[in-house]
Amino acid sequence: DARVTQTPRDKVTEMGQEVTMRCQPILGHNTVFWYRQTMKQGLELLAYFRNRAPLDDSGMPKDRFSAEMPDATLATLKIQPSEPRDSAVYFCASANSGGHEQFFGPGTRLTVL
Amino acid sequence: EDQVTQSPEALRLQEGESSSLNCSYTVSGLRGLFWYRQDPGKGPEFLFTLYSAGEEKEKERLKATLTKKESFLHITAPKPEDSATYLCAVQPGLGSGFQKLVFGTGTRLLVSP
Repeated sequence: DARVTQTPRDKVTEMGQEVTMRCQPILGHNTVFWYRQTMKQGLELLAYFRNRAPLDDSGMPKDRFSAEMPDATLATLKIQPSEPRDSAVYFCASANSGGHEQFFGPGTRLTVL
Repeated sequence: EDQVTQSPEALRLQEGESSSLNCSYTVSGLRGLFWYRQDPGKGPEFLFTLYSAGEEKEKERLKATLTKKESFLHITAPKPEDSATYLCAVQPGLGSGFQKLVFGTGTRLLVSP
């Protein structure tokens, strides 16, 4: 059953704390995307990687957000320090370089108090 | 700037009452237009990709069409299980981020029995 997995599914934290979200892309997919979804802005692309190398992170606040792919089966998104305005659902998606369809994970709902 | 606008924001239909959702876009060279379905608490689920004006694709009660400025998602004789948020996204064909997607804010569809 090929699907993108994300952990944790829900995270509640206090302002100033570090938050780490994890994503396991579909096996064989070499492109990974991080999105943030809010009611106001909808789905916004934060960053994406191909073959573990960052291709575009222009949508990500550089001072507090960082994204990495330690290996082909794990992508991480960190926020340090977190702020209430970071509260949103964060989605990871994966695709193969030859295809256009992106397959989304179930998301991590982040609440920063 | 690449932009996607979806209308209406919300749509309520009776079971069997056909209708259409609109997605208008401006993009720097369209590589593809995508429709996704999103259920509450879940990640977007891929429905269709359209590549050129005049193209149509169908899946069960859904049919997607594409012109040079907009796409329609036609829903024929909808059922309550079609209730979801439908997201439209474009993939710009120019620039280095050729796999990135730009999403609209979606249309929330509710089909009543």
